Amino acid sequence: NAGVTQTPKFQVLKTGQSMTLQCAQDMNHEYMSWYRQDPGMGLRLIHYSVGAGITDQGEVPNGYNVSRSTTEDFPLRLLSAAPSQTSVYFCASSGTGTGFYEQYFGPGTRLTVT
Amino acid sequence: QQPVQSPQAVILREGEDAVINCSSSKALYSVHWYRQKHGEAPIFLMILLKGGEQKGHDKISASFNEKKQQSSLYLTASQLSYSGTYFCGTAAPNFGNEKLTFGTGTRLTIIP
Repeated sequence: NAGVTQTPKFQVLKTGQSMTLQCAQDMNHEYMSWYRQDPGMGLRLIHYSVGAGITDQGEVPNGYNVSRSTTEDFPLRLLSAAPSQTSVYFCASSGTGTGFYEQYFGPGTRLTVT
Repeated sequence: QQPVQSPQAVILREGEDAVINCSSSKALYSVHWYRQKHGEAPIFLMILLKGGEQKGHDKISASFNEKKQQSSLYLTASQLSYSGTYFCGTAAPNFGNEKLTFGTGTRLTIIP
């Protein structure tokens, strides 16, 4: 199992550009989430999904779109990049059912917007 | 609303003990602990559920006091490998792992 994979690892964008951060998991997890991590702010939830075709907003959704057409993939789209979106982005997945399960995080994408 | 972690940072010598606290202004139903080393992804440590449950893994254990709306992570006889930033996460009512709110983290540095 590859676990949770993210591409790219690093990206530099100019203000106003758009791009898609890719996330994939091979553990057949229903739950997937996107977080951003900024110094001193911890991990903040952007969007999440509880299954294919079902997504919802987290704490900081503005400027980002998601879709979930398959169980495996959960891409994050930046519509028009702004310097405030400079951050490290983590994708995570976890199982479902009765109770709680650990989240598996991807290695992260470090994004810089100039 | 983010849970509050304390202390924000702590430096210990190898072999010393540490306690990291996580408190919330809202009722807690579960507390999730993760550790992140610099430049890496967060790694799961443990989950505690409502009911005052205490869990442990090796020399790392945690407690959950739902009345006080707080959880504490205990690191006993710390090792160099324990260095990193520790995050607690809480789940909103009627939600599971998909919607966790994390604290701002506690940076733990272990020195030889």
